[in-house]
Order: sequence, then structure tokens, then C-alpha cells
Amino acid sequence: GQQLNQSPQSMFIQEGEDVSMNCTSSSIFNTWLWYKQDPGEGPVLLIALYKAGELTSNGRLTAQFGITRKDSFLNISASIPSDVGIYFCAGLNSGGSNYKLTFGKGTLLTVNP
Amino acid sequence: DTGVSQDPRHKITKRGQNVTFRCDPISEHNRLYWYRQTLGQGPEFLTYFQNEAQLEKSRLLSDRFSAERPKGSFSTLEIQRTEQGDSAMYLCASSFGPPLAFGSGTRLTVV
Repeated sequence: GQQLNQSPQSMFIQEGEDVSMNCTSSSIFNTWLWYKQDPGEGPVLLIALYKAGELTSNGRLTAQFGITRKDSFLNISASIPSDVGIYFCAGLNSGGSNYKLTFGKGTLLTVNP
Repeated sequence: DTGVSQDPRHKITKRGQNVTFRCDPISEHNRLYWYRQTLGQGPEFLTYFQNEAQLEKSRLLSDRFSAERPKGSFSTLEIQRTEQGDSAMYLCASSFGPPLAFGSGTRLTVV
């Protein structure tokens, strides 16, 4: 089945630093999504990408949909302590009516104040 | 609109007991999903409803699992004869189109 490889697995950074994480797939997706999950909570959508090559920003977050449609990256600029959490990429092929997501294993981000 | 709501948030049960979880989706969303998440993993797809029809089930959904969405609104996920391997976070999500909005999940612990 489809698998997403997300890297790095974990990151320890100082407040104010920039962060970059990425996701690669063995298969093509036509939508890429980035979610953040806090402990004991469900994933919360950060950014959605719908077109190959698309670069989208949401505040300090920037994400890109790779031109091959097999990868995506997420950048966080000027990190703050509340950025701590697990970041998941998810791919979607919405050819049918089932918008079923395939998730990576997540990147655990720790920000030292 | 208060988002996707799941109940209970936590459930501890003895092995062999049956458990039922409830999900209330965002009201205008016609699609409803159940996912399971174990420690250190991303969520994995279990099943999908469009309105009241269950249109897809994962191989992860064994015969002990059943999901319903009787009137195309809320949904229930029942696990019969629970096993320790069923311990996980069960997430519900809803959507009208992509992307999906997730609830806070039900954490199941089987002892």
C-alpha cells in the first residue's frame, strides 16, 4: 500500500530558529495536507496544498507541493514554544468520493525557550 | 459550529468487554471517517461514510468492529470482545470536500 516517509523523526531546536521537515511518497498524490497534533488531542489542519508546485503560507508556516507530486515540505520560521507538538503530513487522492488520507509517522518538534 | 465532537474522551475497559464510541460531525459535512492511531504512528484509516451509507472499510476493521451512521448525522463505533491490541486513540473526522476536520479522539485502554 501507499507509504509516506516523513523526516526527521524528531527535532530539538531553540526558540527563534527556523524549522524544515519533509515528506516523500512512493506514489503520487493530488493533495497534500499538513496537520499538527498536541498530546491527547486530534490533528489540527495547518495547510492544504492542491496543485503540484504550489507554495502556500499560513502565518509563520510555509508548505510546498512537490512538482513530482510525490513530496512536500513544511517550514516554520522564528519558532516559538507553542510550536511544540507532532507534525504530520498526509496525502490524498480524491479521484472518488472518499477523501481518505494516508499519513506519515510524524515529526516531533521540541522548542527550548 | 463547535467542530467534530467525540465521546467519551477516555475509556478503560477489561479485555473481553464491548465498548461503543460516539462521534458528532460538523453539521453540514456529509462525509464521516473513523481512524485509529497507536503510539508513535500516524492515524490509519478504518472506515468511511457518505451520509448514512458505509462505503469503504479497511482491512484493519476486523469482524469485532462495527460502525453505523443511522441518520447520516452522528456515528458510533463499537468494538466487541475487546483485546489488548485494540488499545489506541480512535479519531473521527468529517468533511464536505477535502480537507478533513478531526475530533479530539477517544483514548481506549484495554486492561
